[in-house]
Amino acid sequence: GEDVEQSLFLSVREGDSSVINCTYTDSSSTYLYWYKQEPGAGLQLLTYIFSNMDMKQDQRLTVLLNKKDKHLSLRIADTQTGDSAIYFCADAGKIDMRFGAGTRLTVKP
Amino acid sequence: EAQVTQNPRYLITVTGKKLTVTCSQNMNHEYMSWYRQDPGLGLRQIYYSMNVEVTDKGDVPEGYKVSRKEKRNFPLILESPSPNQTSLYFCASSSTSGRAYEQYFGPGTRLTVT
Repeated sequence: GEDVEQSLFLSVREGDSSVINCTYTDSSSTYLYWYKQEPGAGLQLLTYIFSNMDMKQDQRLTVLLNKKDKHLSLRIADTQTGDSAIYFCADAGKIDMRFGAGTRLTVKP
Repeated sequence: EAQVTQNPRYLITVTGKKLTVTCSQNMNHEYMSWYRQDPGLGLRQIYYSMNVEVTDKGDVPEGYKVSRKEKRNFPLILESPSPNQTSLYFCASSSTSGRAYEQYFGPGTRLTVT
């Protein structure tokens, strides 16, 4: 099946920028998503980007999409300890959604 | 409050004892789905439903059943649970119009099969 891949771990210092990367294989993906999962909780939609866009900014979050390389990234500016969580990249095909394995972001004070 | 609820949140059971995990949403969403989350594997879809009485297999349907008799409910049934079904399960729902596939997730059910 189609894959979504992302690195498993990222550690940054408080106040630095975090960049979480993701690659996907399905060229028919219409929407690409970033979800955040805090400990003991379900997934919360952070932001999404439509496949005909290449960038979307939402406060501290910037999503970049390189459709040619099928590469998606999430940049968190001024990362805070409250941003520590697992971040999932997901792409939506015709009728289903595929998730990456999740990147565990650790923010050190 | 718009939400997806799951019950129970935690369950420990023994091999072969049938169980049902309930899922309910109050947003009148057409699409509902079940996922399992395992370390290093992310979320894998078990079953999904596009509407009442319409269900289909996801990536890992073996050992699971679902039903969609009402729009708001989408229970997950394990007829004969086995230890390899020990996992964290999430139910999700979305509207199939507007922002398609923007899924709302329940809080999760942690299942342990011994």
